[in-house]
Amino acid sequence: DAKTTQPTSMDCAEGRAANLPCNHSTISGNEYVYWYRQIHSQGPQYIIHGLKNNETNEMASLIITEDRKSSTLILPHATLRDTAVYYCIVRGFGRGSTLGRLYFGRGTQLTVWP
Amino acid sequence: NAGVTQTPKFQVLKTGQSMTLQCAQDMNHEYMSWYRQDPGMGLRLIHYSVGAGITDQGEVPNGYNVSRSTTEDFPLRLLSAAPSQTSVYFCATHGDRGADYEQYFGPGTRLTVT
Repeated sequence: DAKTTQPTSMDCAEGRAANLPCNHSTISGNEYVYWYRQIHSQGPQYIIHGLKNNETNEMASLIITEDRKSSTLILPHATLRDTAVYYCIVRGFGRGSTLGRLYFGRGTQLTVWP
Repeated sequence: NAGVTQTPKFQVLKTGQSMTLQCAQDMNHEYMSWYRQDPGMGLRLIHYSVGAGITDQGEVPNGYNVSRSTTEDFPLRLLSAAPSQTSVYFCATHGDRGADYEQYFGPGTRLTVT
């Protein structure tokens, strides 16, 4: 699975958009980009994933560059409850022993301030 | 529908003691995993299972055993606890939907080994 690089920390004003970048320059064609977040010391929570098209759900938007070497997670209107560590993970798909493995880095600590 | 449950929530062990961390899911998912998270770090995969009777090692398997006799349960056994195993342990599960899946995490077990 490709490795990812994220900034250690970011902050954002409440109500503004939070844009969290992730570099994954070694991503291969069959690998998806996943985002999870971890609030305090709770279990990580799935946010969104994508392959090459931009994706949007009720929580966030995911923008993937055309060469797929980087992506940005966008929280359109950050709230104090979005303060968390955000993990960008790249992994392949398909049956077999690699399915189920998620490799977490240290992620980005996002702090939303009032 | 409880999702993923873990017991106990907290545990203190003395060096050399053994114990089993319990994980159960009621989502009928094939795939289950155990992660550990040390302070300030991301999650690291210990063991995982792709179905009943099938397990495999992750990044940091030493000192831990697992078995998967049923779809619902995936216990993690510490054979002889060491202070280096002080950590928060998360169990996760997901289904088999090809490339599109998300992992569901339990609330974690906080283990201290003295």
